[in-house]
Amino acid sequence: LAKTTQPISMDSYEGQEVNITCSHNNIATNDYITWYQQFPSQGPRFIIQGYKTKVTNEVASLFIPADRKSSTLSLPRVSLSDTAVYYCLVAPSGSARQLTFGSGTQLTVLP
Amino acid sequence: GAVVSQHPSRVICKSGTSVKIECRSLDFQATTMFWYRQFPKKSLMLMATSNEGSKATYEQGVEKDKFLINHASLTLSTLTVTSAHPEDSSFYICSASTFSGNTEAFFGQGTRLTVV
Repeated sequence: LAKTTQPISMDSYEGQEVNITCSHNNIATNDYITWYQQFPSQGPRFIIQGYKTKVTNEVASLFIPADRKSSTLSLPRVSLSDTAVYYCLVAPSGSARQLTFGSGTQLTVLP
Repeated sequence: GAVVSQHPSRVICKSGTSVKIECRSLDFQATTMFWYRQFPKKSLMLMATSNEGSKATYEQGVEKDKFLINHASLTLSTLTVTSAHPEDSSFYICSASTFSGNTEAFFGQGTRLTVV
């Protein structure tokens, strides 16, 4: 399973765009990149998933360069409620999803 | 997305007793579920893989006799913490996934276990 590296923590202010970058240098050809959000005392919640280029949904965008060795989660106009830990995971498609969690990034949104 | 329900959300038990945690996939069948453990300010650590109709696969360092896993149906996996001790106090989370070709996994809301 590909190992991921993220910043331990980030601070931002309400209304700003936040970009969290994840490194996954040994990503395999059939690996997808998935980001999860976790609030205290809750299970992780799926945010976005991608394989290459750019993916956008109603809450975030995911940018993946051509070499796929990194990815950037972009949260537009964050609010206080976006304060959480964000995990970047890399795992192959198909079959069961045994996910290996890295340290994650603690995002703190300040007023 | 698919829903995974975990019960109870929090439990307090006395040292030496056993506690059962349930994980249900509400709107899909999951032949495989996963159990994680999370300590405060730490990341999720995979404990075991629960396979429907067969024995669970435990990660290195996880005592199979202490953390009993049963996956008797395609929608239910249970984790029983036997003879619980204060050091077993933790946040336990299960996950399950569909086999739709992507890698999205769905997580339960977690169970806060406190052993006193």
